[in-house]
Amino acid sequence: QKEVEQDPGPLSVPEGAIVSLNCTYSNSAFQYFMWYRQYSRKGPELLMYTYSSGNKEDGRFTAQVDKSSKYISLFIRDSQPSDSATYLCAMGYSSASKIIFGSGTRLSIRP
Amino acid sequence: SQTIHQWPATLVQPVGSPLSLECTVEGTSNPNLYWYRQAAGRGLQLLFYSVGIGQISSEVPQNLSASRPQDRQFILSSKKLLLSDSGFYLCAWSGVGRNEKLFFGSGTQLSVL
Repeated sequence: QKEVEQDPGPLSVPEGAIVSLNCTYSNSAFQYFMWYRQYSRKGPELLMYTYSSGNKEDGRFTAQVDKSSKYISLFIRDSQPSDSATYLCAMGYSSASKIIFGSGTRLSIRP
Repeated sequence: SQTIHQWPATLVQPVGSPLSLECTVEGTSNPNLYWYRQAAGRGLQLLFYSVGIGQISSEVPQNLSASRPQDRQFILSSKKLLLSDSGFYLCAWSGVGRNEKLFFGSGTQLSVL
């Protein structure tokens, strides 16, 4: 079993829809959780960083962490074509060298 | 603010040739530095990380090596490239505390032919 599982997609939704991206994990030692957005042939860009269970909102993005279920989600409201990218979940504990990444979900927003 | 520069963006090299990819960070001192490789449709694989000048930790034994000659400079090298070295290489930096965020450069697409 992989430490972090993420559905690779692709996921295609119409513009304006609410998008839900998810990851599950098996290591209860993970303490902090991140979501990265990666455009084609570019480096991942940090979108959201959360440390505790619950929700964190930043504009159209909401990150949700459920440590009891070992499940994290990223919600995108009012999705735009510019949101089309691969989204990587990541989680870690102690130093950043311990961060584990999901394999990424490819998202396409149809105009 | 902190910025990370990585070059070149694209590189095509013949099998058996040497490799040198460079990464520099600005706006911070004594960062932790990282080299990752990303294969198509797969997650990020940590190759090397460094907590200081001359200090390199290797996560995966392979045909590559890393060096950190200056505080904010990280270099990925190979003496002889293999076909299997093809991939998307990413440099990243973080602070030195616990639970630090990881910030990536723009990446180098390496094709070994």
